Amino acid sequence: AQTVTQSQPEMSVQEAETVTLSCTYDTSENNYYLFWYKQPPSRQMILVIRQEAYKQQNATENRFSVNFQKAAKSFSLKISDSQLGDTAMYFCAFTHGGSQGNLIFGKGTKLSVKP
Amino acid sequence: DVKVTQSSRYLVKRTGEKVFLECVQDMDHENMFWYRQDPGLGLRLIYFSYDVKMKEKGDIPEGYSVSREKKERFSLILESASTNQTSMYLCASSPGQGGYEKLFFGSGTQLSVL
Repeated sequence: AQTVTQSQPEMSVQEAETVTLSCTYDTSENNYYLFWYKQPPSRQMILVIRQEAYKQQNATENRFSVNFQKAAKSFSLKISDSQLGDTAMYFCAFTHGGSQGNLIFGKGTKLSVKP
Repeated sequence: DVKVTQSSRYLVKRTGEKVFLECVQDMDHENMFWYRQDPGLGLRLIYFSYDVKMKEKGDIPEGYSVSREKKERFSLILESASTNQTSMYLCASSPGQGGYEKLFFGSGTQLSVL
């Protein structure tokens, strides 16, 4: 069975600093996808970034980037120049290539950005 | 932009009541999902549907059923609500092209069963 583990229940960072959220996963699949979703206090889940397992290059989206270590089954999220609006729950998620897109989520990391 | 609408933001029900949570999407998506979100447990998949009248159990289907009579609407049914079903329920949809596509989420229904 596939599992996703986020080992940091809560984190905080000063505005304008950089923070890294950790995620590890377990799977025997070769074709899979990894995602980071953000859930601000409004409760609206927003896709932050996604990575295809067969791509070696780490995905980036503006201030958000990932460190994808396939052999270690690690998928961390780096947020640069943190902003107050980045305060949210962050969920790491996994799905395999043969799925209908149903995601397996980690337990989440609550990130607080402090002014 | 895709809109996924959940009929209620907050809902309070009594133990034993039959509860319907409704979800509607407006982009002709093939796939729809119901997740349950609990603090410290993340999101867990209850049921999903990849076509009208088709459904698949997720990781925690016990105590729930679903209905998808029309493509745009996916209902979650609690046949006899219990206090351990107090939770946030999130509906999502996706086009149905495969695993890489993103899910579009509703804003959630916070259900309290008393």
